[in-house]
Amino acid sequence: NAGVTQTPKFQVLKTGQSMTLQCAQDMNHEYMSWYRQDPGMGLRLIHYSVGAGITDQGEVPNGYNVSRSTTEDFPLRLLSAAPSQTSVYFCASSRRGTGRQKEQYFGPGTRLTVT
Amino acid sequence: GENVEQHPSTLSVQEGDSAVIKCTYSDSASNYFPWYKQELGKRPQLIIDIRSNVGEKKDQRIAVTLNKTAKHFSLHITETQPEDSAVYFCADPDTGRRALTFGSGTRLQVQP
Repeated sequence: NAGVTQTPKFQVLKTGQSMTLQCAQDMNHEYMSWYRQDPGMGLRLIHYSVGAGITDQGEVPNGYNVSRSTTEDFPLRLLSAAPSQTSVYFCASSRRGTGRQKEQYFGPGTRLTVT
Repeated sequence: GENVEQHPSTLSVQEGDSAVIKCTYSDSASNYFPWYKQELGKRPQLIIDIRSNVGEKKDQRIAVTLNKTAKHFSLHITETQPEDSAVYFCADPDTGRRALTFGSGTRLQVQP
């Protein structure tokens, strides 16, 4: 299994541009999430999904959209990039369940710079 | 599960010493407490976890303890080694959101 994959690994955008960060998992996990990690900071939840067709907001959803048309894919769209969105973005997936079943499997991350 | 406080933010120890990181949570319904390790430039990975019906769990040099009354859980690393240098995150499963809320992280540096 490839686990959780993310593309691209690096991206530079100009203010106002839009783009989509891709995330896919091949573990048949029901839950998927997007986090951002600013330099020296923790992980903040942007959006998450508990299944195909179901998404919800996390702590910092403004400026981002998500969709979940399939179990495998969970893309994150930046509507109009701003310098404040410069960060490392991690996608994660987990099974439905309790306890250890909630272990988050993270992708390798996308390093985004907005100038 | 909306509020997880983690301390300290940085911790420097000598190789061979012990390190302790503490997290405090607010949701009394929380029942699962994981710890993640993130090496520089890498993704976070689960290293140990504990369920609320257990007070302590060990895995070689790492252990997690839980105090439900005080609503805090701690990560203990004994006989630290340079490869333990990383950022450690506690997490509280946000039962309302079915996603993890992470603490702010502790940067552990083990001096050789």
